[in-house]
Amino acid sequence: NAGVMQNPRHLVRRRGQEARLRCSPMKGHSHVYWYRQLPEEGLKFMVYLQKENIIDESGMPKERFSAEFPKEGPSILRIQQVVRGDSAAYFCASSDRTNEKLFFGSGTQLSVL
Amino acid sequence: KQEVTQIPAALSVPEGENLVLNCSFTDSAIYNLQWFRQDPGKGLTSLLLIQSSQREQTSGRLNASLDKSSGRSTLYIAASQPGDSATYLCAVSNTDKLIFGTGTRLQVFP
Repeated sequence: NAGVMQNPRHLVRRRGQEARLRCSPMKGHSHVYWYRQLPEEGLKFMVYLQKENIIDESGMPKERFSAEFPKEGPSILRIQQVVRGDSAAYFCASSDRTNEKLFFGSGTQLSVL
Repeated sequence: KQEVTQIPAALSVPEGENLVLNCSFTDSAIYNLQWFRQDPGKGLTSLLLIQSSQREQTSGRLNASLDKSSGRSTLYIAASQPGDSATYLCAVSNTDKLIFGTGTRLQVFP
């Protein structure tokens, strides 16, 4: 039973480009969470999705960031027109129910040049 | 607004010592509390999950306690080993998401 899969592991973008981060939850999990970890800081919640629905996006910047979790396929976190301040590790986690144990992926390290 | 604090921020101990990591949170209306381990450049590994109705959970050399009314949890690591070196994160859930502390960076030296 594969764990939470994130790709790519490392992503380098120039300022103004788009970044797409993918997350495949554990088999049978329909709840996906995205977190961001800035250097020397803790993990900050960004968005919580269930299949085809955004449940809570209170931690996601209103501009340039969007997330989806389609009926088929992985969850995507999309960052448009990236800036240097977007450089961080982005982690995805999944669970089979709300407020249950979360399983994390290995993260995507985004570097904006 | 829920805030989670972990102390100490860093800890360095010799192998074999028993140690305690502390976590405190401001809103006691939580569903559960989880302890995670994060290795450099890696994702998070869940260590223990304590439901709000529970007082403690144990796994091997790890024991986590929860005092919800006072907003505190401790992670006890017995007979520490160099392989325990990592950052330990505490997280609480009181809505639909986990709120994380900033972690305790643990180094166990031989």
